[in-house]
This record gives sequence, C-alpha cells and structure tokens, in this order.
Amino acid sequence: GAVVSQHPSWVICKSGTSVKIECRSLDFQATTMFWYRQFPKQSLMLMATSNEGSKATYEQGVEKDKFLINHASLTLSTLTVTSAHPEDSSFYICSASERGQGIQYFGAGTRLSVL
Amino acid sequence: DQQVKQNSPSLSVQEGRISILNCDYTNSMFDYFLWYKKYPAEGPTFLISISSIKDKNEDGRFTVFLNKSAKHLSLHIVPSQPGDSAVYFCAASGGGADGLTFGKGTHLIIQP
Repeated sequence: GAVVSQHPSWVICKSGTSVKIECRSLDFQATTMFWYRQFPKQSLMLMATSNEGSKATYEQGVEKDKFLINHASLTLSTLTVTSAHPEDSSFYICSASERGQGIQYFGAGTRLSVL
Repeated sequence: DQQVKQNSPSLSVQEGRISILNCDYTNSMFDYFLWYKKYPAEGPTFLISISSIKDKNEDGRFTVFLNKSAKHLSLHIVPSQPGDSAVYFCAASGGGADGLTFGKGTHLIIQP
C-alpha cells in the first residue's frame, strides 16, 4: 500500500519551454501533496504544499508563477515548470499523505535537465 | 539556519552490528519525526516515525528514540545488513498536513 507514482522520471528540455510533472497516489486518497526539490548532495527542500481543490501554499523564495501547482483531484497533483532555465535543472520529488496522517509517501522523483 | 541537522555525512558499520544514526533539531514546534531511506535518483522510502508524546518506537530491526529535552533523535538498526546501505534522512514536521524539514542525510555503509 501507500504507493505514489511520479511521471516522467527524467526529462530534458530546451531553455524557455515548460515542463509538466505528474504525481499520483495509486492506492489512497491524498488530501495533501507536497513538492520538494533536491540539488546534488543537498537535502530535500520543500517547495510547496498542495491541497485538493484549493490554491497551493508556496515556501519563501519559491516563485509561484514559475512553479505552477494544480491539485485537481484526491489522487493527482501536477507541477509545471514554466519557461524553464538551466538553473531550474534539479531533482523534483512529490509526496502525498492521507487525511490527518503525518507520514508522507514519496514518488520516485523527476530529473529535470534544462539545456 | 538549518533546523534539522545530521552531523555525520557518512557512517561505516560492520554487517551484523548495530547502526546508530543521529539527528538534532532546533525548532521546538516540531512534534512529529520520521526517518527515510534513499537511494540515488529515487524518492525517499519511509522507514519509521515517532510522535513527540513518545520516546521510543520500534518496528522490526528499526528503533527510533526521541529525547525532547535534548532535541535529539536517533535511529538504531540491528542487526545491520548489506541491503541497509543507503542514505538515511531525518525529517521533522509540526504534524498533520505540514511539509517536512529534512536533514542533509547520512550515508550508511554496511561492510561485509
């Protein structure tokens, strides 16, 4: 149980294009989903918290117009990196938790490389 | 300012012995703590958690200890197995729907 699927696992794009990453909870309903970012040899940093049916809450320093988050259903959240630039290249990981649960289950991550 | 600290970047332990990974935190508002295991280019895998109302939680080979007064927690793995070799992250939250604050991780290496 508690499986979170993230797609794609790896994407290469040209500078200026947009990339969409999907995060799905496969066997539970995720009232809250989270998006993290990890730079090489660094820790995971929370980017935003996404609640189903409402606007995402972004952490300080994260541009909401650049990282668009949509949580349209209890099993799906998407992160769109708009007008990507090389400095956006990173490992993006989503997680999901059930209502009232503190445990977060993570997807496998998406490696984004912007050329 | 790093709110969750794992001061040992790496730890080497012989197979069959006990592995002890340490974590310190500074934010007294944290009341839920978790340990995750992670391989390169993969997402973290949940191992074990503990609420601030407890001081110990055990699940098979894994035991987490929490010392609130010292703002310190540790993960014990016994006996250590080769498959335990990975990076271990300590994480903390205010509970409920809060995001997690992660430490920088400790690379555990189990030697045969």
